[in-house]
Parts: sequence; C-alpha cells; structure tokens
Amino acid sequence: DAGVTQSPTHLIKTRGQQVTLRCSPKSGHDTVSWYQQALGQGPQFIFQYYEEEERQRGNFPDRFSGHQFPNYSSELNVNALLLGDSALYLCASSFRLAEGDTQYFGPGTRLTVL
Amino acid sequence: QKEVEQNSGPLSVPEGAIASLNCTYSDRGSQSFFWYRQYSGKSPELIMFIYSNGDKEDGRFTAQLNKASQYVSLLIRDSQPSDSATYLCAAGEGSGNTGKLIFGQGTTLQVKP
Repeated sequence: DAGVTQSPTHLIKTRGQQVTLRCSPKSGHDTVSWYQQALGQGPQFIFQYYEEEERQRGNFPDRFSGHQFPNYSSELNVNALLLGDSALYLCASSFRLAEGDTQYFGPGTRLTVL
Repeated sequence: QKEVEQNSGPLSVPEGAIASLNCTYSDRGSQSFFWYRQYSGKSPELIMFIYSNGDKEDGRFTAQLNKASQYVSLLIRDSQPSDSATYLCAAGEGSGNTGKLIFGQGTTLQVKP
C-alpha cells in the first residue's frame, strides 16, 4: 500500500524565486492538504484540494497557490520567495467521505530560502 | 482565532512509566481530534484519532476526550526510549469534514532508560 509521497526532499532557493512542490496521495485517497511547519512549531494549514478545486484555505497570502490533477496528485507553488518561507512543507492525504477526515502525512519537503 | 494549546515540555519520564500528554482547544465546534508523533527531522505520524467523549485505547496508547472541558489527552503506558519524540495534538476545525486541522506546537517527550 503506497503511502503519501512528496518531491523533492530538499530544496534551496534564493529570495524572489519561485518554487513548485509535488505530492502524490496515499492509494484510495482523493483529497490533498498542504501544511507549512516552521522549526519548533506545529504545522499550519495552507489549503486543501478536492475534485481539482481549492476547498479550504488558511491564512496564507496569494503567493501560495496550488493545483490538483485528475489522478489526485497535487502541486504547491510559492512565488516571490521570502526568507520566512523557509520551512518543512507537508502534504497530507485523506478520503473526503471518511469520518473525521483523518489525514496522513508524507515525508515533507524541506525548503531553505537564502 | 481558533487555537490548540500544548505544553511544549520537555516532559521527562523513566522507561516503563506512564507518560501523560495534554492539550486544550478553543473551537467548541470541533468534532475530531488527532494525536501525531513526530521524530526529529521527520514528518508527523498518526497515532490515534478520537471523536467521542471518553477513552479510546489502542495498544499502549489511550486517548481521552472531554468536549465539555475542551480537553484532549494521550496516555502512553510502559513508555519506551523509542517513544521519545514530539507529540502533536490537532483538532478538526468546525463540525464537518472541513479538511483543516489546527495543530498545537507539540510536546517533547523524553523517555529515559
């Protein structure tokens, strides 16, 4: 049973650049949520995609955008990178109709902005 | 702003003891609650979820939920050094499957041999 996968594992960018992170959900899941986790903090919800649409959004600027593909995989795009965007970016997948929307996390992408 | 509060610790317990981790949440509408374990440098791993008031047991882990007090706890029996990690408490926002989990900052648990 394939779990949630993310790529790349690590990424180094400079301020002002743009980045794209990728996620494939766990087999049987149709929903992808993205979180940002700064060092020493809990994950912060960015947004959730279901049926190729953004369903929920957290308190993040429009520089953060995403997409979901017909095979349920998803991308997170961040434009005009700031130093403060350095964090672990986590993708979580779930099955929309599951009770409580239990989410399972991928290994994460560590983004460093210099 | 809806919040989940946890004591950051570290909580230190001897091997074989019971570790008790607690969190409180502010959103009275939350219906689903989760405990994740996160080892240093790794991603969160789901340990347990609980939706109903009372206790839910799974092996050495017991989750407890008290919606009236807006309180969730996790008990780890027979703690092992391998349990040393950060434990994240999360609450689902609102009463439906909104998809948004609100996390606490995590409690660091140290189990000493």
